[in-house]
Amino acid sequence: GAGVSQSPSNKVTEKGKDVELRCDPISGHTALYWYRQRLGQGLEFLIYFQGNSAPDKSGLPSDRFSAERTGESVSTLTIQRTQQEDSAVYLCASSLYEGLAEAFFGQGTRLTVV
Amino acid sequence: GESVGLHLPTLSVQEGDNSIINCAYSNSASDYFIWYKQESGKGPQFIIDIRSNMDKRQGQRVTVLLNKTVKHLSLQIAATQPGDSAVYFCADRQGGKLIFGQGTELSVKP
Repeated sequence: GAGVSQSPSNKVTEKGKDVELRCDPISGHTALYWYRQRLGQGLEFLIYFQGNSAPDKSGLPSDRFSAERTGESVSTLTIQRTQQEDSAVYLCASSLYEGLAEAFFGQGTRLTVV
Repeated sequence: GESVGLHLPTLSVQEGDNSIINCAYSNSASDYFIWYKQESGKGPQFIIDIRSNMDKRQGQRVTVLLNKTVKHLSLQIAATQPGDSAVYFCADRQGGKLIFGQGTELSVKP
């Protein structure tokens, strides 16, 4: 596709369940970012992948959150034992390489934990 | 940790007027500062960036000013249009990752 694709677009889950959110970056983009955006708030950095380097996980809020990336393609953000405070829009972005300021965002996955 | 923040959460301007959105930052080591626009229900969209060794950069109807002395960044939008209504975020690049501020909601009155 031409842009960053995220799936699902919406996810409602019960408290305590695990969820997986998927991101397909723009082909050829080596850098990939995950952010969390609560309603009416800014973008909270979660994790950053750059090529084959070890990811920067400094923004993950707890050990319930993890993310993987297969080479320079798909990434999956996993939230285990979801809590109500995990409800937010999860945004993925990619950029051509680490040194580039411009990142392209997907539409996000709206997660609601009930 | 160090972060990027905004002075005002909301800004309302008349169509055709110029808009100025401000941002304060604290990380002196940032090498890029970036402005993003987020329309309702969409992901943020890149507007313009500026390197830390510059103090001004112009794009189409937008100008970004960087004052490193007071650690202040601003986005100026000329002849604001209804389509400019959105939330605007400043961000800085810290070691490769992009760190965003809280955002300013710009509302354009017809």
